Amino acid sequence: DTGVSQDPRHKITKRGQNVTFRCDPISEHNRLYWYRQTLGQGPEFLTYFQNEAQLEKSRLLSDRFSAERPKGSFSTLEIQRTEQGDSAMYLCASSLARGIGFYGYTFGSGTRLTVV
Amino acid sequence: KNEVEQSPQNLTAQEGEFITINCSYSVGISALHWLQQHPGGGIVSLFMLSSGKKKHGRLIATINIQEKHSSLHITASHPRDSAVYICAKENDKLIFGTGTRLQVFP
Repeated sequence: DTGVSQDPRHKITKRGQNVTFRCDPISEHNRLYWYRQTLGQGPEFLTYFQNEAQLEKSRLLSDRFSAERPKGSFSTLEIQRTEQGDSAMYLCASSLARGIGFYGYTFGSGTRLTVV
Repeated sequence: KNEVEQSPQNLTAQEGEFITINCSYSVGISALHWLQQHPGGGIVSLFMLSSGKKKHGRLIATINIQEKHSSLHITASHPRDSAVYICAKENDKLIFGTGTRLQVFP
C-alpha cells in the first residue's frame, strides 16, 4: 500500500467552475476524513466517513460542497460554483475506527486549489 | 476561543537548543496528537497520547489530562527539525491547533 493518495496535486480554476478532488485511502482503513487548510492556519475539519456512511459534516461545508464515498473505498469532494475564498489546500486522511487495530491517522499530500 | 490553542505561533532557535511547544485544549478527548508539517503540505504523525509521556529519538511529548495541557519538546535541535508542529485533539476526528512554525538555524 502506498499510503493515502490525492488527485490532483494542484488545481487552478476560474471562479464559478465546479471542481472535484479524489482521495484513495489506505485500503484497510474504514474511516476517511476531509480537511481544508489555508495559509498559516491549521487544518479545519470538513467531513468524515465510516465505510460509505457520512457520519459528520462541519458547518464549514456549505451547500456548494459535497462529498461521497460510494463503495467505502475512495472518496470525492466536489465544490460547485467555486469562489475565491475556496482557495486552500484540501487534505484527506484515513484511519481505522477506534478499537482493535487503531494506530492513528495517515494523511495524503493534499490538493492545492487556486480559484482565479 | 479555539478548541485547541498552541503557543508560541513562531519560534526560532539556534542549533542545539532545547525547544518546547505548548498545547491547551478544551473538553475531554480520546487522545492528543502531535503532527509535523513540512512546506508543500505533507503531514506526518509524531505522537498520539492519552496519558503520561512518550519519547521518540530527540522528541518527547507529555500530557496532563487534568490540566488539559500537552507539551512537545525537541532536545538538541537541528536545522532539519524546521517545520510546522501542530497539536490536535481527537474525538472521532482531529481538531487542529493553528500550529507552531519552528526555524532552527545552524
